[in-house]
Amino acid sequence: AQKITQTQPGMFVQEKEAVTLDCTYDTSDQSYGLFWYKQPSSGEMIFLIYQGSYDEQNATEGRYSLNFQKARKSANLVISASQLGDSAMYFCAMRGPRMDSSYKLIFGSGTRLLVRP
Amino acid sequence: DSGVTQTPKHLITATGQRVTLRCSPRSGDLSVYWYQQSLDQGLQFLIQYYNGEERAKGNILERFSAQQFPDLHSELNLSSLELGDSALYFCASSVGAGGSNQPQHFGDGTRLSIL
Repeated sequence: AQKITQTQPGMFVQEKEAVTLDCTYDTSDQSYGLFWYKQPSSGEMIFLIYQGSYDEQNATEGRYSLNFQKARKSANLVISASQLGDSAMYFCAMRGPRMDSSYKLIFGSGTRLLVRP
Repeated sequence: DSGVTQTPKHLITATGQRVTLRCSPRSGDLSVYWYQQSLDQGLQFLIQYYNGEERAKGNILERFSAQQFPDLHSELNLSSLELGDSALYFCASSVGAGGSNQPQHFGDGTRLSIL
């Protein structure tokens, strides 16, 4: 069964520094997608970045980049130049297996990031 | 703003009652997904509709049902509510059935509190 593991329940980072949020995954699929979402204290879920299993380059979106290491089954999110507004819960997610004809997302337990001024 | 609209934002009701949560997907999106976020279970997939048809079911209780209408909006019906149903319910949408690199865009959620 597919599984996403986020081992850091909470993290602190100093404003303007970079931070890495860890995510490991388990799947038997050859083709899969990995996503990161941000959930501020207000509750909404904001899509940040996507990495496909066949993508040769690591995905980047502004200050967000994804450190994709396929052999290690890890998809860590790197936030550069942290801002106070980055304080939120961050979820790693995987697109579900094709076999059940659904592309539901399977989520990790999340990492709460707090940016210190 | 994700473009996905969920109403109401908050809902407070009592055990045994029935509620309906509504979702309007982003313009052009054919798939609607429902997720439940609770403290003990985390984010769990409930059900997916694609262009009006049920596509897949996840951990959805028999007391819960959903549908997607011809205008592509969706409703999630929760009946015989129990205290454990208190959660944040998200609707998400995507362009197609959800494959390849299509992200799911989430609404702001409906926070359901059962008293």
